[in-house]
Amino acid sequence: DSGVTQTPKHLITATGQRVTLRCSPRSGDLSVYWYQQSLDQGLQFLIQYYNGEERAKGNILERFSAQQFPDLHSELNLSSLELGDSALYFCASSVGSGPWGETQYFGPGTRLLVL
Amino acid sequence: GENVEQHPSTLSVQEGDSAVIKCTYSDSASNYFPWYKQELGKRPQLIIDIRSNVGEKKDQRIAVTLNKTAKHFSLHITETQPEDSAVYFCAASFVPGGGAQKLVFGQGTRLTINP
Repeated sequence: DSGVTQTPKHLITATGQRVTLRCSPRSGDLSVYWYQQSLDQGLQFLIQYYNGEERAKGNILERFSAQQFPDLHSELNLSSLELGDSALYFCASSVGSGPWGETQYFGPGTRLLVL
Repeated sequence: GENVEQHPSTLSVQEGDSAVIKCTYSDSASNYFPWYKQELGKRPQLIIDIRSNVGEKKDQRIAVTLNKTAKHFSLHITETQPEDSAVYFCAASFVPGGGAQKLVFGQGTRLTINP
């Protein structure tokens, strides 16, 4: 157990809908990262927050947004869902935000299925 | 741009033999190189990492080597066991503008240990 929690574990929804994924970082970690992993694919970095502020952005679609709250938990919002958004979504956390090599610990993931 | 190439994509070895997975990265400023192991449907777990001021690091049967000149790093697993079967991901840190670190992952290597 990494100490990072994610809810829900599974989510099934329809195209065009909107969902919210939630992540709580390890105690003491200020950074939260979101990744998307499609079937048999690698981990695609979406976005990073540090202490409530956006710090780095990856290949995140405009239909997706995220935020980090004062209690440091984070939410990833996915809207106007398409079939291709079906994937595993992982959250990771680290103590700081870099630049000297922050170890990231991953949560168990949320499996999203868009029908 | 930011890129990490990982080879091979699949690797099959006999139990007890060694396995080697190789990665190259594009940004000479990268300073942190973790390796993650991911079992089917589970979260990526950090197994070993190395920083740019070190050339080699070992942890029991696992070792990682780094060649900064060639921008190349490798994972070595000796005396492989069936429980080593998993997908392994390498990653390299990149620091986009603003000082925040992000990890870029390789595409993964599916390692199978044959009894």
